[in-house]
Amino acid sequence: KAGVTQTPRYLIKTRGQQVTLSCSPISGHRSVSWYQQTPGQGLQFLFEYFSETQRNKGNFPGRFSGRQFSNSRSEMNVSTLELGDSALYLCASSYLGPTSYEQYFGPGTRLTVT
Amino acid sequence: GDSVTQMEGPVTLSEEAFLTINCTYTATGYPSLFWYVQYPGEGLQLLLKATKADDKGSNKGFEATYRKETTSFHLEKGSVQVSDSAVYFCALSDQAGTALIFGKGTTLSVSS
Repeated sequence: KAGVTQTPRYLIKTRGQQVTLSCSPISGHRSVSWYQQTPGQGLQFLFEYFSETQRNKGNFPGRFSGRQFSNSRSEMNVSTLELGDSALYLCASSYLGPTSYEQYFGPGTRLTVT
Repeated sequence: GDSVTQMEGPVTLSEEAFLTINCTYTATGYPSLFWYVQYPGEGLQLLLKATKADDKGSNKGFEATYRKETTSFHLEKGSVQVSDSAVYFCALSDQAGTALIFGKGTTLSVSS
């Protein structure tokens, strides 16, 4: 069974630009979550989607948005990039939800904003 | 709000030493508790979980017991190996059950 895949693995963007990250969950998983990992703040929850609906959102500005498609694939978008958005962005999928069912993480997308 | 506090690292041990990584939490309600492990260059992997008070989660020689009275979920292993070198994260489920709240992580380094 293929794991969670994230593309691209590495990105370098300039302040003010926007970026879209993609996540393909494990086949059959309907819940997709996104997390931001930085050395200072650690792992912080961004949002969770289930069957194309956002069920939960973390404490991030509106520049961070996401969506989920009917095949459960998910994208997150960050507009007007800031230096502080440099981070490892992790996607995770689970069958129906991250607490009742095991959550599988992808390897992450490393975003560097210059 | 809900939060997780885990001991600062790095923790440096010799092979076959006993490991304890402390984790305490603050939460309303009765969250599920988790330990995740992140090996270099990889995403997180679930190590073990516990869903109610006094539950013991165990996997690969690691154990943790959900202690409601002390709001703790300490990770232990009787004999660590070099291959256990990684970053360990303690986490709890939020009230909605659709997000995990993570601690800052503890880096474990095991030498032979």
